Amino acid sequence: DTAVSQTPKYLVTQMGNDKSIKCEQNLGHDTMYWYKQDSKKFLKIMFSYNNKELIINETVPNRFSPKSPDKAHLNLHINSLELGDSAVYFCASSQERTGIASGELFFGEGSRLTVL
Amino acid sequence: AQSVTQLGSHVSVSEGALVLLRCNYSSSVPPYLFWYVQYPNQGLQLLLKYTTGATLVKGINGFEAEFKKSETSFHLTKPSAHMSDAAEYFCAVKNFNKFYFGSGTKLNVKP
Repeated sequence: DTAVSQTPKYLVTQMGNDKSIKCEQNLGHDTMYWYKQDSKKFLKIMFSYNNKELIINETVPNRFSPKSPDKAHLNLHINSLELGDSAVYFCASSQERTGIASGELFFGEGSRLTVL
Repeated sequence: AQSVTQLGSHVSVSEGALVLLRCNYSSSVPPYLFWYVQYPNQGLQLLLKYTTGATLVKGINGFEAEFKKSETSFHLTKPSAHMSDAAEYFCAVKNFNKFYFGSGTKLNVKP
């Protein structure tokens, strides 16, 4: 059983298209994240949700819109794709109970997006 | 502001040699510190973490790291490198539910 699963694993699309990446975790965690890893392997936080509530929203273009239908799912929709959006997008989850702040991140396998 | 610096984007060792990957951090509060490993085309996997207590932390695959507050460091070591250790390694600090990652160190293991 995969703890954090994302689909699709690979996505190749044309500039200007709209695409979505889905993420699900079966760990019972209350917090989920989207990270972007660029070609130099640098990891940048994009969004974080705690119990379906947006708690971290870094400087990300409005073309990126996360949605969390429930605490086990966090999807990422990207409008009007640009060349610079090409990257690997990682979903992650953690348990952030009040008073216990040392929870680690559990990562999905990543979704490699290539914009042509 | 929190930040993580990993010295050396590439480290190359011979099989059986000591592995030392350096990580320094800045944090305004006592940090939680992590090391993650990323194999090609995979997600990040936790190697070990420091929260409180013993400053020498043991992780999976024979890795360990020592939290040194005076040096603001959390270097990762392994006494004897194995070919399967070749991967990208990331140090991270966590403050107030936000993770800050270093830029990563690619470990190459030569036969």
